[in-house]
Amino acid sequence: DVKVTQSSRYLVKRTGEKVFLECVQDMDHENMFWYRQDPGLGLRLIYFSYDVKMKEKGDIPEGYSVSREKKERFSLILESASTNQTSMYLCASKPTGAYNEQFFGPGTRLTVL
Amino acid sequence: GNSVTQMEGPVTLSEEAFLTINCTYTATGYPSLFWYVQYPGEGLQLLLKATKADDKGSNKGFEATYRKETTSFHLEKGSVQVSDSAVYFCALMSGGSNYKLTFGKGTLLTVNP
Repeated sequence: DVKVTQSSRYLVKRTGEKVFLECVQDMDHENMFWYRQDPGLGLRLIYFSYDVKMKEKGDIPEGYSVSREKKERFSLILESASTNQTSMYLCASKPTGAYNEQFFGPGTRLTVL
Repeated sequence: GNSVTQMEGPVTLSEEAFLTINCTYTATGYPSLFWYVQYPGEGLQLLLKATKADDKGSNKGFEATYRKETTSFHLEKGSVQVSDSAVYFCALMSGGSNYKLTFGKGTLLTVNP
């Protein structure tokens, strides 16, 4: 079975802390994505990666960075967390190919105090 | 740019009622269209998809037809169940990008017994 796992379901951090959100997929997919989900705004793409060490900015990259050192792992980094980064964060992976679906992890609900 | 507009919720129905959730899109090229569902406390999972005009996607009693002339991909189900209560997202992947999904804002459906 296809599986995307995220390191935490719930996380509470303080303003200014450096935060790491980890995502691992076991499907050997080339492409991985980080989204944030907010009420009334739907899902917005933060960053994506189409290969190891490759990354591209999505629609809302400000305040975030990413790391992909191994194919199966894609990390989202909040360099200095702020209260407006309180959100649900969703990771997804996808094999190469125009019509292939994205597979999502269960999400991490991050609260920044 | 690409965009997806879906009907705002919340939508509340009684069990066995007919469901329609409207979705229209703007895209370059010939997009693939998707409906994702998010059950409470979970990540997104693919419900159905259509990759070319006039294709009908179907799964678990849900259907949607890719209408190029009206740029629409409305989700329908003839008889909803309490277990269908979830948030539904319409999304597109344009022909110009094999990677990125553009999502609508989501529609919360609640089905009462």
